[in-house]
Amino acid sequence: EAGVAQSPRYKIIEKRQSVAFWCNPISGHATLYWYQQILGQGPKLLIQFQNNGVVDDSQLPKDRFSAERLKGVDSTLKIQPAKLEDSAVYLCASSSSGNHNEQFFGPGTRLTVL
Amino acid sequence: SQQGEEDPQALSIQEGENATMNCSYKTSINNLQWYRQNSGRGLVHLILIRSNEREKHSGRLRVTLDTSKKSSSLLITASRAADTASYFCATDAQDSNYQLIWGAGTKLIIKP
Repeated sequence: EAGVAQSPRYKIIEKRQSVAFWCNPISGHATLYWYQQILGQGPKLLIQFQNNGVVDDSQLPKDRFSAERLKGVDSTLKIQPAKLEDSAVYLCASSSSGNHNEQFFGPGTRLTVL
Repeated sequence: SQQGEEDPQALSIQEGENATMNCSYKTSINNLQWYRQNSGRGLVHLILIRSNEREKHSGRLRVTLDTSKKSSSLLITASRAADTASYFCATDAQDSNYQLIWGAGTKLIIKP
C-alpha cells in the first residue's frame, strides 16, 4: 500500500512570498489533515477535510493560509504571504472512515522563511 | 492549544535499558495514542489505548492509562539504537470529530 505522498520535501522562500504544498493521501482514505509542526513542538492541526468538505479549520490563519481538496483526493495548502514564523514542517495525514483513530503521515515539507 | 504534555522532555539511556515516558492530558478522552517520529520515517503510529483500558502491550511496548489522573505512560523494554526518536502522545477528545491533540514530545536517545 502506497503511503501518504507530499511535495516538495523542502522549500526556502523569503518573507512575503507565496508557497504551496501538495498532498496525496492513501487511496480510499476519506479524511485528510494538514498539520504545522514547529521545531521542538508537537503537530498542530491546521485543517481537517472529510472527502472534499472542511470539518474543522478553526486553527487555520485564514488571512494568509488556504487549503483545498476539490475532488476529495489530493489537497493543496497555500501560504500567501509567508511570514518568518511560518517556518515549520507541514505534515499531511490521512485516515480511513473505518478507522479514524490511526492517522498515517506523509514525510512532511520543511519550510524555511527568510 | 496542546492537550498532552510529555515528561521528560528528553531522555538518554544505554542500549538494552528500559525507557519510560509519561503523558498528561486535560480533558476527557475517547482514546490515547502514542506516535514515534524520526528523521528517516516521519510520524508513525505505535499503539492506541482506549479510555476503558488500563494497559496494553505491543511487542516491546507497554502502555498504561490512568483516566483518574489523566495520564499515560509508554515503556519501551530492551531499548535498541533504532528506538532513538521523539515520542508523542495524542488524545482523541470526546466530541472532537476524531481530531488528535498532541503533546510536545519526549526526545529519546539510545546510546550504543
